[in-house]
Amino acid sequence: DAGVIQSPRHEVTEMGQEVTLRCKPISGHDYLFWYRQTMMRGLELLIYFNNNVPIDDSGMPEDRFSAKMPNASFSTLKIQPSEPRDSAVYFCASGWDRAGGELFFGEGSRLTVL
Amino acid sequence: DQQVKQNSPSLSVQEGRISILNCDYTNSMFDYFLWYKKYPAEGPTFLISISSIKDKNEDGRFTVFLNKSAKHLSLHIVPSQPGDSAVYFCAASPSNQFYFGTGTSLTVIP
Repeated sequence: DAGVIQSPRHEVTEMGQEVTLRCKPISGHDYLFWYRQTMMRGLELLIYFNNNVPIDDSGMPEDRFSAKMPNASFSTLKIQPSEPRDSAVYFCASGWDRAGGELFFGEGSRLTVL
Repeated sequence: DQQVKQNSPSLSVQEGRISILNCDYTNSMFDYFLWYKKYPAEGPTFLISISSIKDKNEDGRFTVFLNKSAKHLSLHIVPSQPGDSAVYFCAASPSNQFYFGTGTSLTVIP
C-alpha cells in the first residue's frame, strides 16, 4: 500500500481565503484522524472519524474549521476563512479498529497563511 | 489542557551513550502508550508501544518503561546513534483516540 496520502504538501495563501486539505487513508483502515502540529501544542488532535462518521470534533479550534469524510478513501479538512494563526503543519493519520494498534501518518500539509 | 506532556523540548547525547526521553500523562483511563519518531518534512512514524498491563517493552535498542502509579513513561535508546536524531513524540490512548505530547528534539552528537 502507498500509505496515507495527503495533498497539497505545501499551501501558501492569503488571509481570508478558503483552504482545503485532502487525505487518502490506507485502504481497510477504520479510523481517520486530523492533527495539527504547532510548537506550543505539539500534535493536536482536531477531529477523528470511525467508518466515515465523525466521532469527536472537540479539538476543532473554531467554526472556521470543518472536516468531512464522504467515503472510506477520502477526507477533507477545510478552513474558511483562513487566518495567519492557522499556519501549521496538518497531518492526517489512519488506523484499524483494534486494541493496541498504531496510527499511520501522512507526510503532512504545510499551510502558510499570509 | 495537555493530557500528555513532554517537559524537555530538546536533548543532546553523545553517540554510543544512552538517550532517555520522558513523558507524563494525566488521565488514568489511558491504557496504551506509544512513541513516534519524526524527521523534518516527514510524518511521524511508529517506534514502539506498551500496554498498561506491562511495565516494560523492548525492541532492539529501544525500551519503553511505564510507571502507572506515577503516570510516567520513558523511552531509552541504547546505544544512541546519529541517525536517531529526530523529534520524538509520546502518545497515549484510551481506546482508538490518540493524544500526543509536544515532542522532544533529540540530537545525537557523533
